[in-house]
Order: sequence, then structure tokens, then C-alpha cells
Amino acid sequence: EAQVTQNPRYLITVTGKKLTVTCSQNMNHEYMSWYRQDPGLGLRQIYYSMNVEVTDKGDVPEGYKVSRKEKRNFPLILESPSPNQTSLYFCASSKQMSSYNSPLHFGNGTRLTVT
Amino acid sequence: ILNVEQSPQSLHVQEGDSTNFTCSFPSSNFYALHWYRWETAKSPEALFVMTLNGDEKKKGRISATLNTKEGYSYLYIKGSQPEDSATYLCAFRSGGYQKVTFGTGTKLQVIP
Repeated sequence: EAQVTQNPRYLITVTGKKLTVTCSQNMNHEYMSWYRQDPGLGLRQIYYSMNVEVTDKGDVPEGYKVSRKEKRNFPLILESPSPNQTSLYFCASSKQMSSYNSPLHFGNGTRLTVT
Repeated sequence: ILNVEQSPQSLHVQEGDSTNFTCSFPSSNFYALHWYRWETAKSPEALFVMTLNGDEKKKGRISATLNTKEGYSYLYIKGSQPEDSATYLCAFRSGGYQKVTFGTGTKLQVIP
């Protein structure tokens, strides 16, 4: 089944404790992206990747890191989480974005709470 | 940061009513406009990807139109059913950029 898999679904952590949220897709998509969802603010893009070893900042990259060593994986890293990073996070993938008809395929989301 | 606005923020309609929402986006440097349906406790799912001015797309009782010159898209639901209850998101892509900017969504509740 074609899908985007995020783990974990729920995570409660403390300020400053490094964490990684994993994202994997099995559709051979070139484009992958991370979003956070906060009430009243809509989905905001954190980072995106056009292909392996190519990443770029979205609108809210502060406090986050990403890597794209393999095509299928795009982990989101919080080196020193803070309470303002408490949010619902989504990973999404798409065929090459130069193919402008391609929609985004979303993972199931990760609800992160930082205390 | 690009400005993508959706209205209304929320909507309650009776089962059987038809309804529509609006997505406004920058009219310059247009590349594509996406519509997604997001049910509670699930992840957003693509409804339409629209790329040409005047585009009209249809999927069952849901349809969408696109006006790139004035920067808006309408989503229509004919004969709303309780299972249509969800948040409807639009997302804008501008030419030359790989960012996808989302609106804040329209939350639809269909009352049986």
C-alpha cells in the first residue's frame, strides 16, 4: 500500500531533550516536506527536500533540522525542544514538484508535547 | 510569507444543503492550487490540483473552480451529507518555488 509513515504518533518530552520524528514513504517520491499545525494558523511549512541531499527552509525552520540521506526517509530533528514546539506535525511527499499536477500525500501526524 | 486566505472559517449546514467556500491567493506568479479534505483524527487527503485559469474540477458532489487572474478558487459541495463534515484546505504554489503555502481552512459541519 502506497503510504507515508510517521513515527511516533504521540510524543511527550521535556525541554532540551533531543528527539527525532521519522518519516518514510514507499512511493519513490522526490519531494518531501514537514509541516506543523497550530490552532488558527493552518499548516506551516518547516523544511522541504527536492531530492536526496537537497533540503531547504520553509516558513518556520527555527529550532528544527532535517536530513535526506535516502530518497524514502526524511527525519525531523529537534535538537533542544522547547514548549513552543508543542504542535501537531505532518510529513508529506509528492512526485517531483516540477510536475505541477502532483498533490501532497500526508502521513498520519505526530502530536508532540514539550513540557 | 505568501498570504493564502480561506473563508468562511467555519460553516454549519443542514443535510441536503449546497454550500461553497472561497480560497484567495496572490494573483501573480501562479503555479498551482490544491484543495485537500481533512477529517478529524485523520490526515489531509487531496481533492483537486488545479493549474489553469478557468479550470473546473469535479469529484462526485464536490467541484472546484479557479480564477488565477483575480486570485481565487471556489469549492462547491452539492447536497451536503454528514460524511462531508471535515476541514477543507487550499494550498498555493507559486512559480519557481517549491514551497506549498496553506490557508487556515474552512471547517464544515453538516447537521443530519
